[in-house]
Amino acid sequence: EAGVVQSPRYKIIEKKQPVAFWCNPISGHNTLYWYLQNLGQGPELLIRYENEEAVDDSQLPKDRFSAERLKGVDSTLKIQPAELGDSAVYLCASSPKREGLYNEQFFGPGTRLTVL
Amino acid sequence: AQKVTQAQTEISVVEKEDVTLDCVYETRDTTYYLFWYKQPPSGELVFLIRRNSFDEQNEISGRYSWNFQKSTSSFNFTITASQVVDSAVYFCALSEGGVSSGSARQLTFGSGTQLTVLP
Repeated sequence: EAGVVQSPRYKIIEKKQPVAFWCNPISGHNTLYWYLQNLGQGPELLIRYENEEAVDDSQLPKDRFSAERLKGVDSTLKIQPAELGDSAVYLCASSPKREGLYNEQFFGPGTRLTVL
Repeated sequence: AQKVTQAQTEISVVEKEDVTLDCVYETRDTTYYLFWYKQPPSGELVFLIRRNSFDEQNEISGRYSWNFQKSTSSFNFTITASQVVDSAVYFCALSEGGVSSGSARQLTFGSGTQLTVLP
């Protein structure tokens, strides 16, 4: 079974430029997450989707960040415009929906963003 | 609010030594889940173990074991007979609340412990 796929793996841009990250979750996983991981820190949730609905986006900086999961499968996270402080690893994770069970999250390899 | 603290920033051991990674958590919920994840240099977080708040039984799984103590809010993780391939950053994580329609809730991670196993 294929894992969570993310692209690109690395991205270098200049500040004020836009950037987008793509995630394809494990097939059949209803829940999709985007996390931000700063250097030397643990991941922090940005947004959680249940199918195509964003059910928790309270920690997403909405002035410059946006996300979508139009068909309830793959997802795109966008930053416009990027700032120096956005340099980090952006992780995508997914989990299945099985009633009555706690479902662990499966993580992708992440996209390492460098803003110059 | 939930919080996870990993006081050990870096640990170095020699191969075959046992090593324990500490984790202390804070939560107001009576139902919660605790996790350990491994992040090798490739960057992908790998799930290792999970415990729920109602099960304090400590177990061993291969070279991994954990010590869950609600009285001290600790969830320590031990690797027995460490190997060079165990070198990675290890994260402890907490998720509050019971199962909600089978969907996982937000994970709160600690800052991680960099484990280096020397040959």
